[in-house]
Amino acid sequence: RKEVEQDPGPFNVPEGATVAFNCTYSNSASQSFFWYRQDCRKEPKLLMSVYSSGNEDGRFTAQLNRASQYISLLIRDSKLSDSATYLCVVISNTGNQFYFGTGTSLTVIP
Amino acid sequence: DAGITQSPRHKVTETGTPVTLRCHQTENHRYMYWYRQDPGHGLRLIHYSYGVKDTDKGEVSDGYSVSRSKTEDFLLTLESATSSQTSVYFCAIMARGGGSSSTDTQYFGPGTRLTVL
Repeated sequence: RKEVEQDPGPFNVPEGATVAFNCTYSNSASQSFFWYRQDCRKEPKLLMSVYSSGNEDGRFTAQLNRASQYISLLIRDSKLSDSATYLCVVISNTGNQFYFGTGTSLTVIP
Repeated sequence: DAGITQSPRHKVTETGTPVTLRCHQTENHRYMYWYRQDPGHGLRLIHYSYGVKDTDKGEVSDGYSVSRSKTEDFLLTLESATSSQTSVYFCAIMARGGGSSSTDTQYFGPGTRLTVL
């Protein structure tokens, strides 16, 4: 069983739409969670951490549900520049290995 | 920008040849990682290092070796390249937070595109 699973999409949404991605993880002892963004042919870049209480950064909201072992990313008012692949990331309970989902592809259409 | 560079950025080689990829960081981070990224598999850990001369295997370590003789350099060697090792290789560092693992984050180099013919 994979440590982290994501719906690969693709998600094609119009500008201004709200879109949500979910990701599930298998190790209930995992402590830290992130969303990364990866543009085509580029390296992954940290988008935001995910805290137990949920957190928001502008149009982006991340949430953690420990009981169901999933994390989510909500993007409001989608922009063309949001088009990318979004990777869900979980840190192992030993703290030194990061497990990446396969990514969810988002295309925002004019 | 976490000061991570990778070289070469692109390489084409033939089956059976040895290949070494270099990752260089300028900020004295203790942890360094090598991943490969392939369609449908996402990022998979090859090896990682937790200090000079201290390394450990990841999920897909067969056919790869690593060395870290200096804090700033982490080398990945394909001992005898095969076509299945055609991939994009990313190096990463872990920036430790202030005493809590919840603030540790990884930053990536720009990647190396390797093609094995």
